[in-house]
Amino acid sequence: DAGVTQSPTHLIKTRGQQVTLRCSPKSGHDTVSWYQQALGQGPQFIFQYYEEEERQRGNFPDRFSGHQFPNYSSELNVNALLLGDSALYLCASSLAQTSGYNEQFFGPGTRLTVL
Amino acid sequence: AQTVTQSQPEMSVQEAETVTLSCTYDTSENNYYLFWYKQPPSRQMILVIRQEAYKQQNATENRFSVNFQKAAKSFSLKISDSQLGDTAMYFCAFVPAGGFKTIFGAGTRLFVKA
Repeated sequence: DAGVTQSPTHLIKTRGQQVTLRCSPKSGHDTVSWYQQALGQGPQFIFQYYEEEERQRGNFPDRFSGHQFPNYSSELNVNALLLGDSALYLCASSLAQTSGYNEQFFGPGTRLTVL
Repeated sequence: AQTVTQSQPEMSVQEAETVTLSCTYDTSENNYYLFWYKQPPSRQMILVIRQEAYKQQNATENRFSVNFQKAAKSFSLKISDSQLGDTAMYFCAFVPAGGFKTIFGAGTRLFVKA
């Protein structure tokens, strides 16, 4: 049973460029969340997707956008890259909760470096 | 605003000994979930233990246990019989009941020494 996978592993971009990161959730999961983890910091919630809709968004500008596909996989797009966007981007999947809380499973992350 | 604070940037412990990592949080919610996650060097983040705020009994998972003090908004993690494989970043995290956004602390880097 494959866990959460992310691609690419590493990425180097220059300021002003655009980037797309990809995530495949754990088998059976239908909800995907994206986090940004700057070096030495805790992850910061970007947004969560469920049923192909953005369900909740953190405090990130509109340059950060996403998409969820019918097979539950997801993309994170960042436009007009800034040096401060350099970070580890984590994807986490879970089963949508009907009550209580369902555990999130994290992927290995994509390390984005903006020069 | 909901926040999670981990006041210990780094800690070390001798193998086989016990260590406690501290976490405090701030929320006006009455129902929520608290978590400790482990992120080993260059490896994926995994859930160590979780606590439902409505449960008074402290959660335990093998060598890992928590001390949950709801009134004080404190949630510490105790690791007993520390092992070399426990070396990692540990993050305390919070989710309000019915919410979707997980709020993480800044982390505590734990070194287990042989």
